Amino acid sequence: KAGVTQTPRYLIKTRGQQVTLSCSPISGHRSVSWYQQTPGQGLQFLFEYFSETQRNKGNFPGRFSGRQFSNSRSEMNVSTLELGDSALYLCASSLWSSGPGSPLHFGNGTRLTVT
Amino acid sequence: DAKTTQPPSMDCAEGRAANLPCNHSTISGNEYVYWYRQIHSQGPQYIIHGLKNNETNEMASLIITEDRKSSTLILPHATLRDTAVYYCIVRPTNFGNEKLTFGTGTRLTIIP
Repeated sequence: KAGVTQTPRYLIKTRGQQVTLSCSPISGHRSVSWYQQTPGQGLQFLFEYFSETQRNKGNFPGRFSGRQFSNSRSEMNVSTLELGDSALYLCASSLWSSGPGSPLHFGNGTRLTVT
Repeated sequence: DAKTTQPPSMDCAEGRAANLPCNHSTISGNEYVYWYRQIHSQGPQYIIHGLKNNETNEMASLIITEDRKSSTLILPHATLRDTAVYYCIVRPTNFGNEKLTFGTGTRLTIIP
């Protein structure tokens, strides 16, 4: 079974631009979560989608948004990029939104660099 | 949420068993222990999880103490590819993925 696929793998943008990142979950998984990872802050939860609905949102500004499609694929968008948005953005999928039988499976992330 | 404490780094000789400890003394009854690892520039990889019984899969074994206040991840025959940062986290059964908190983990280095 194919794992979580994130595209693109690397991205370089300039301040003020916007960016869209894509995530294809494991087949059959209905929950998709997004995380930001930086050396200083570690892994931080951005938001989670389940059946096309945002279930939870982390403590990030409104410039960060996302959506999920009917096939469970998800995108996240960051508008008006800032230098501090440079990070590894990770997508994770799970069968359900909670429960012990539903561990998260992560993709290899998109490395975003803002100059 | 229960917090976890792990040693910042460990070394292990190739071919030997790597035993990674984790303290979760404030764990509550409905919280599972999960282990992930992250190899440089890749996403975290799920390894194993458990509630109170010992668990084993093709990657590792998880030993949870009877009082559930600590656990040990065992990689039975460590290889160079096991060099990674290992994260021990606790996750409530009745909450979703927003409750996952990864600490600083243990940087495991396998020595040839």
